[in-house]
Amino acid sequence: DAGVTQSPTHLIKTRGQQVTLRCSPKSGHDTVSWYQQALGQGPQFIFQYYEEEERQRGNFPDRFSGHQFPNYSSELNVNALLLGDSALYLCASSFLGARTEAFFGQGTRLTVV
Amino acid sequence: AQSVTQPDIHITVSEGASLELRCNYSYGATPYLFWYVQSPGQGLQLLLKYFSGDTLVQGIKGFEAEFKRSQSSFNLRKPSVHWSDAAEYFCAVGDHDYKLSFGAGTTVTVRA
Repeated sequence: DAGVTQSPTHLIKTRGQQVTLRCSPKSGHDTVSWYQQALGQGPQFIFQYYEEEERQRGNFPDRFSGHQFPNYSSELNVNALLLGDSALYLCASSFLGARTEAFFGQGTRLTVV
Repeated sequence: AQSVTQPDIHITVSEGASLELRCNYSYGATPYLFWYVQSPGQGLQLLLKYFSGDTLVQGIKGFEAEFKRSQSSFNLRKPSVHWSDAAEYFCAVGDHDYKLSFGAGTTVTVRA
C-alpha cells in the first residue's frame, strides 16, 4: 500500500499564475481533504471532497478550487497566485463514516515568487 | 467552532528525560483528538488518537496522551525522550467528518 501520494513534491510559480496539485488517496479511502501549512504554523483546512463533490470548506477564497475523480484522486487548483500562497500543501485521505484517522501525504511545497 | 491551543511554542529537553506537551481544545460535542508529529519538510505522522473510551491513550514510539474533559485538555507525554524525537508536534481536534483544526505546534529540541 503506497499510502497517500502527492505530486509534485516542489514547484515554483510566479505571482498571478495558476497551479494544480495532485493527490492519490490511500487504498480503500473515499474522502480527500486539503490543508495549507504556512511556514511556522499549523495546517489550515481548505476543503474536503467526497463522491466528487465539495462537502466542507474552510475560510479560503474562491481562488482555491478542487476536484475529485471517480477513482477518488483529487486536484487542488489555485488561481491568481499571491506571494502569501507560498506554503506546504497537504492532502489527507480518510474513509467517511469509519472511526479511523486521516492519513497525510508528504505534501507539495509551493513557492510563489 | 472548534479550535486548539498549544501553549508551548518551543520545548528543550535532555535525552532520557521525560516530555510533556500541552494541548487545550474547544469543541461543542465529544471531540475526536489527535497528536501528529512532523519532521522538517515532511508530512504528518499520527502518534495517537482518541475517539472514546479509555481516557489514557497509547500511541506509537512510546507516546501516550490523556483526555481530560473537565480541563478540555489532551496532553502528550513520553517517559524517556530519544534524540530522534526532535520534531514539530501538532495537536488536532476533529469532527466526525474529519475536518481537523490544528494547533500552532510545539517544536521539541533534544539535547545530548
